[in-house]
Amino acid sequence: SYVLTQPPSVSVAPGQTARVSCGGDNIGSKSVHWYQQRPGQAPVLVVYDDSDRPSGIPERFSGSNSGNTATLTITRVEAGDEADYYCQVWESPGDHNYVFGPGTKVTVL
Amino acid sequence: EVQLVQSGAEVIKPGKSLRISCKASGYSFTDYWISWVRQMPGKGLEWMGRIDPSDTYTMYSPSFQGHVTISADRSISTAYLEWTSLKASDTAMYFCARDPMETSRGFDFWGQGTLVTVSS
Repeated sequence: SYVLTQPPSVSVAPGQTARVSCGGDNIGSKSVHWYQQRPGQAPVLVVYDDSDRPSGIPERFSGSNSGNTATLTITRVEAGDEADYYCQVWESPGDHNYVFGPGTKVTVL
Repeated sequence: EVQLVQSGAEVIKPGKSLRISCKASGYSFTDYWISWVRQMPGKGLEWMGRIDPSDTYTMYSPSFQGHVTISADRSISTAYLEWTSLKASDTAMYFCARDPMETSRGFDFWGQGTLVTVSS
């Protein structure tokens, strides 16, 4: 089955840029989605199809995907961005299922 | 306004059966799949499976195939997740999510979650 890797944690000062990586074999050939999950809340889609933003998501959230790494970038980080972030892909060919990364805790210093 | 409203928290004994629900509103229920996602205490997200409410076709993660059943009743715009014999290891938060058929779009709306606690 397809495996995604993420760093357990990323720390960033307010106003700076946070980058969260998501590694996978030839992940650049897949469509990657990113979710934000604040404590005690349901996940929220912040980037889909590598780099598109759903309605209502600030432009500070962006994504890229190439080779074996996808990246979620959060610019001008705010205290409210502190959360867990998960990447997701659809595994195909193979088991034909969705796979989530293990998650990255973004801490705003 | 798109909403997915899940049934309330459950505390249930091992070996019992359980069905939790996810009621959709604000969109055409049969135009999107519904996926279920598990989150064990302090852990990450795990995709369990999905259902197409238009014909009840289901797909399961190999990790959950045979352990749970996903169903839907389009007459009341509701999807279900069911267990026949719960174990302590099923203790988790369970989320439903609206799942566009195109796998390039992500899960754009989520339910609030149902906490299932399996304990004697």
